[in-house]
Order: sequence, then C-alpha cells, then structure tokens
Amino acid sequence: QVQLVQSGAEVKKPGASVKVSCKTSGYTFNTFAMHWVRQAPGQRLEWMGWLNSDNGNTQYSQRFQDRVTITRDKSASTAYLELRSLRPEDTGLYYCVREAQYAGAGSQHWVFEFWGQGTPVTVSS
Amino acid sequence: DIQMTQSPSSLSAFVGDRVTISCRASQDISNFLAWFQQKPGKTPELLIHGASALHSGVPSRFSGSGSGTDFTLTINSLQPEDAATYYCQKYNSAPWTFGQGTKVEIK
Repeated sequence: QVQLVQSGAEVKKPGASVKVSCKTSGYTFNTFAMHWVRQAPGQRLEWMGWLNSDNGNTQYSQRFQDRVTITRDKSASTAYLELRSLRPEDTGLYYCVREAQYAGAGSQHWVFEFWGQGTPVTVSS
Repeated sequence: DIQMTQSPSSLSAFVGDRVTISCRASQDISNFLAWFQQKPGKTPELLIHGASALHSGVPSRFSGSGSGTDFTLTINSLQPEDAATYYCQKYNSAPWTFGQGTKVEIK
C-alpha cells in the first residue's frame, strides 16, 4: 500500500532554515508528482509547491517562491521540502501529498489522494 | 490566481439532518474540484473529485455537484462521525487553492 512517512517535529529560530523529508513506499516513486501543503494553526490548507518526481522539475506558490526548494532523491524514494528565512508565521503542519489519477468525462483528474502524516514546524525565538 | 470561497464557515446540525456546504471559484474551473474532510488532529481525506465522483470507500451519504464556478457538498443524514472541517480545492492548474474550510458540528 502507498505510504508517505515524514520526518519528525522541528523547532527553529527565526531566520533559520528547515528541511522536511517525505519517504515513500508502495509505488514507483518517479511515476507520480509530489506536492507540499502547509496548515498554520486554525488556518486553511495552503499549497506550497510541487515536484515532478521523474525529472525533478518544480513549481512553487508565489507566496513562497523566494524561500522554498523542493527536491527529491529517486534512489531513496524520498522528497524534500526546504523553507528558508523562517518567520514565526511559518509555524504549522507541513504535509507531503501524492497525486493519483482518475479518468473523468473526456479529461484526466490528478487529485491529492495520499497524504503524509504531517511534520510540525515551530518557529520561535 | 483563482480564489476559492466556502460558505458557511461553520454550521451545527442534528444527527439525521441534511447538510449542504457551498464552494465558489472566482473563475471557471470546469469540474476540477475536490472535497476533503479533516477531523481534529488528523490528515485531510479525499471525499470527492471531479466535483461529483465519490472517492473509493466514502459513504454514499456524501455527494457533490456543480460545475464552472459553483459547487456543493451535501451530507445526507448527518452522522456523529461526520463532525469535521470540510475543504474544497481546485486542481485544474497551479496554484492548487483550497477554500477556507467549513466546520461541521453535531448538535
């Protein structure tokens, strides 16, 4: 079965960087894209960016464009999210999410089906 | 960017009630709309994709409708285990935006 297991909780000071890992199993890593989604306390889910697991291409939300990098290690079936210049408002739960493909009427739907357990990141001085 | 707006932000209903949650996109997204359920302390779970296709294993009391800019999630015969926050999400193109969520409480 598909599993996404994320690294553990992080506590960082403002201005520092954090790198969260997402180790996958149960499928061929490079056949599905990986997204990262953040949830600040009491806030809505917020998409941060996505990774083409095969060729490594990425696309980021404009909100995080200058502070985020998503990478992968195909040999380890693992995706990574790095967020730099951390601020207290970056405190929250960070999820990796794998797409799944479903056929619609005349179109293909790539939906967020498999979620990691979330990695809590706390930014505090 | 396309904005996703849900209403209401919260609601309270009795077991057995029919509940409807609305989601509006600021531009046409065809039927590239998903609904998620998130229970407290848990990971979001996919309920519906393609605006109306029930995800595998989701109880049939959940249904979705709509196309273009206006969408609805309906829970027929609300159950105690349906207490959760529900999010809509557009996925036709980047950015993959979520609505602000609707918290459903059981009276």
